[in-house]
Amino acid sequence: DGGITQSPKYLFRKEGQNVTLSCEQNLNHDAMYWYRQDPGQGLRLIYYSQIVNDFQKGDIAEGYSVSREKKESFPLTVTSAQKNPTAFYLCASSVGSTTLAEQFFGPGTRLTVL
Amino acid sequence: QQQVKQSPQSLIVQKGGISIINCAYENTAFDYFPWYQQFPGKGPALLIAIRPDVSEKKEGRFTISFNKSAKQFSLHIMDSQPGDSATYFCAASSGTYKYIFGTGTRLKVLA
Repeated sequence: DGGITQSPKYLFRKEGQNVTLSCEQNLNHDAMYWYRQDPGQGLRLIYYSQIVNDFQKGDIAEGYSVSREKKESFPLTVTSAQKNPTAFYLCASSVGSTTLAEQFFGPGTRLTVL
Repeated sequence: QQQVKQSPQSLIVQKGGISIINCAYENTAFDYFPWYQQFPGKGPALLIAIRPDVSEKKEGRFTISFNKSAKQFSLHIMDSQPGDSATYFCAASSGTYKYIFGTGTRLKVLA
């Protein structure tokens, strides 16, 4: 089955700890994205990658970091510098990075900071 | 100018009724308007999308109406079913990867 997998589904973190969220896709998509979703708000773009070894900051990149060493993988690290990290995190991918390239979303990871 | 305003925040509709969700934008450079459907605990999935060169697009029970002069677009769900109960997001894009999402509408269809 082709698709996007995110792990873990639920993640709990103590304040001051870094945590890494996994995102893997087997769709052979070039572009990958990380979004944050908070209750009552739309999806907000954290980071974006068009190709391997390249990525750009989105609208709310502060306190987050990413890497793109493989086409299939785009892990997101939530650092201790992120002031309010509790949220639902969504990874997405698309064939290319133009408007007409539909973004496919993974099932999400719910991060809770204790 | 980059905002997409979505309303209502929540909507309750009887089975068989019509669900209508509205979105408005300011940036006239937007040229692609998708709607996403999200079930609880799941990622959003593309439902239907429209470009501004047409005023309406229909796919099954789902229709997008687009009013370019008013800078508004809406999603109509005909013959709404309990299985349509989900959160719906509109979005807008201007020729790039970047989508600006609305704040979402939580739809509940009563059996």
